[in-house]
Amino acid sequence: AQSVTQLGSHVSVSEGALVLLRCNYSSSVPPYLFWYVQYPNQGLQLLLKYTSAATLVKGINGFEAEFKKSETSFHLTKPSAHMSDAAEYFCAVSEYGNKLVFGAGTILRVKS
Amino acid sequence: EPEVTQTPSHQVTQMGQEVILRCVPISNHLYFYWYRQILGQKVEFLVSFYNNEISEKSEIFDDQFSVERPDGSNFTLKIRSTKLEDSAMYFCASSEGGLAADTQYFGPGTRLTVL
Repeated sequence: AQSVTQLGSHVSVSEGALVLLRCNYSSSVPPYLFWYVQYPNQGLQLLLKYTSAATLVKGINGFEAEFKKSETSFHLTKPSAHMSDAAEYFCAVSEYGNKLVFGAGTILRVKS
Repeated sequence: EPEVTQTPSHQVTQMGQEVILRCVPISNHLYFYWYRQILGQKVEFLVSFYNNEISEKSEIFDDQFSVERPDGSNFTLKIRSTKLEDSAMYFCASSEGGLAADTQYFGPGTRLTVL
């Protein structure tokens, strides 16, 4: 069965520092992978998705993620954190059909 | 930009009561979903819906739950007799296509509190 593990329920970075949010997946077939962001009192917004076209995926707001099959990982990065990046981030996997399986989420805190 | 909307934003109900959560998906989307997130837990898939039928449902989606597209714009989730453990944030989502690669667009959620 497909599953997603997000290491670190809370991550804290300084403004301007590198953001790294970790996601590992388990899948029996090549997966489709997604990163969603949730700002307070808002819905889940798609940041980026991997659909096998390219291993390095660029998303909105300067975020990107790299699919590494050998490591079964899809970590989310941003070179320089901004205060507005503070939110909860969810990694999700989809195999067959259209059911998303989510990780537990990582709350990103950005310190000034 | 088109978005998924949900009403109400917060619903408080007594145990055993019926509740209906409402969603308006993006207008040209054909696939609709409900997910829920119990406080402190993962977002969980409940059900997917296409062409007026349930495509897939999870173990959570038992006989107490039902979904309906009563008209051309709304998509509803009904819980017939609420339990304390139904307290959660319920998210509606929609997508244009039904493939694994298709992006699902989420609404802001309805927080259901069962007392």
